[in-house]
Amino acid sequence: EAQVTQNPRYLITVTGKKLTVTCSQNMNHEYMSWYRQDPGLGLRQIYYSMNVEVTDKGDVPEGYKVSRKEKRNFPLILESPSPNQTSLYFCASSFRLGNEKLFFGSGTQLSVL
Amino acid sequence: AQTVTQSQPEMSVQEAETVTLSCTYDTSESDYYLFWYKQPPSRQMILVIRQEAYKQQNATENRFSVNFQKAAKSFSLKISDSQLGDAAMYFCAYRSAEYSNYQLIWGAGTKLIIKP
Repeated sequence: EAQVTQNPRYLITVTGKKLTVTCSQNMNHEYMSWYRQDPGLGLRQIYYSMNVEVTDKGDVPEGYKVSRKEKRNFPLILESPSPNQTSLYFCASSFRLGNEKLFFGSGTQLSVL
Repeated sequence: AQTVTQSQPEMSVQEAETVTLSCTYDTSESDYYLFWYKQPPSRQMILVIRQEAYKQQNATENRFSVNFQKAAKSFSLKISDSQLGDAAMYFCAYRSAEYSNYQLIWGAGTKLIIKP
């Protein structure tokens, strides 16, 4: 089944404790992206990747890191989480851009205490 | 910079009735794509419908249709014969057709409540 697998679904952590949210797609998609969703703000792009070893900043990259060592995986790393990073995070992928449909993971609800 | 505005934080409709969700956007570009995504309580984001700006014909997907007014920069979603399963957050999104522009700009969302 074609899907984007994102883990964990829920995560509670404390300020400063490094964490990684994993994202993997099985559709051989070139484009992958991370978003955060906050009430009243919609989704905002954190980072995106057009292909292996090619990543770039979105609208809200501060405090986040990503890597794209393999085509299928695109982990999101919070080196030193802070409470303002408490949010719902989504990974998404598509084969190309344009009017291509985005495939989303099931989301990670992160709480930073 | 492009912006997307959904002015209705919440809408409610009686089951089997028709409801229209509004979306306006601001851009100086002439070629772009517009999308409506649905997010049910499961959190899964689902593409409902998409529209290419250079196509004058409004997109339709079963009970879902759009009213695309390019000059007015308006992209409303009409849901006919509303069903309980339509209850969700609905997000409008904009993407430039420029190949080097990788952003998808999202509205804040409209929560749709279906009354049985």
